Amino acid sequence: KAGVTQTPRYLIKTRGQQVTLSCSPISGHRSVSWYQQTPGQGLQFLFEYFSETQRNKGNFPGRFSGRQFSNSRSEMNVSTLELGDSALYLCASSLAVAGGQETQYFGPGTRLLVL
Amino acid sequence: GIQVEQSPPDLILQEGANSTLRCNFSDSVNNLQWFHQNPWGQLINLFYIPSGTKQNGRLSATTVATERYSLLYISSSQTTDSGVYFCAVAGNQFYFGTGTSLTVIP
Repeated sequence: KAGVTQTPRYLIKTRGQQVTLSCSPISGHRSVSWYQQTPGQGLQFLFEYFSETQRNKGNFPGRFSGRQFSNSRSEMNVSTLELGDSALYLCASSLAVAGGQETQYFGPGTRLLVL
Repeated sequence: GIQVEQSPPDLILQEGANSTLRCNFSDSVNNLQWFHQNPWGQLINLFYIPSGTKQNGRLSATTVATERYSLLYISSSQTTDSGVYFCAVAGNQFYFGTGTSLTVIP
């Protein structure tokens, strides 16, 4: 089975622009979660999508949004980019059939640099 | 949210040595995973271990859920074990610890 894939792998943007990142989960996985990793804040949960609905949300401003499609693929969008948005963005998928008691599998991440 | 503390923050080992990494968490959880992050940023699953003990080759893990801690044991370390080890726990979302940075020198 193919693993979680994320595109693009690297991205350079300037302040004020917006960006869309994509995540394709493992086949059959219904839940997709997004995380931001920075040297200062570590790994932080952004949001989780299940069956095209946002199920949980972390403590991030409204500039961060996401969506999930009927094939479970997910996108996250960051509008009005700030320098502090420079980070590694990780996507994870899981089967989501056991109430959270299951393994999450992570993609390789998208490295975003905001200049 | 759930607080997750990992210790030690940094660890330098000679190849062949053994080590124990610790993860303490502040509330009861229904999911606990250990990950290894390689130099390219990929998080690799090591164990799904909300309770009990598991072993996979040179790695093993034990979670004592009632006492809210988990341990990751690495035996006969190799240079390829270098990287950052994260513990993550879940209530309604995943909370990550700050990681243990392991360097194994030949």
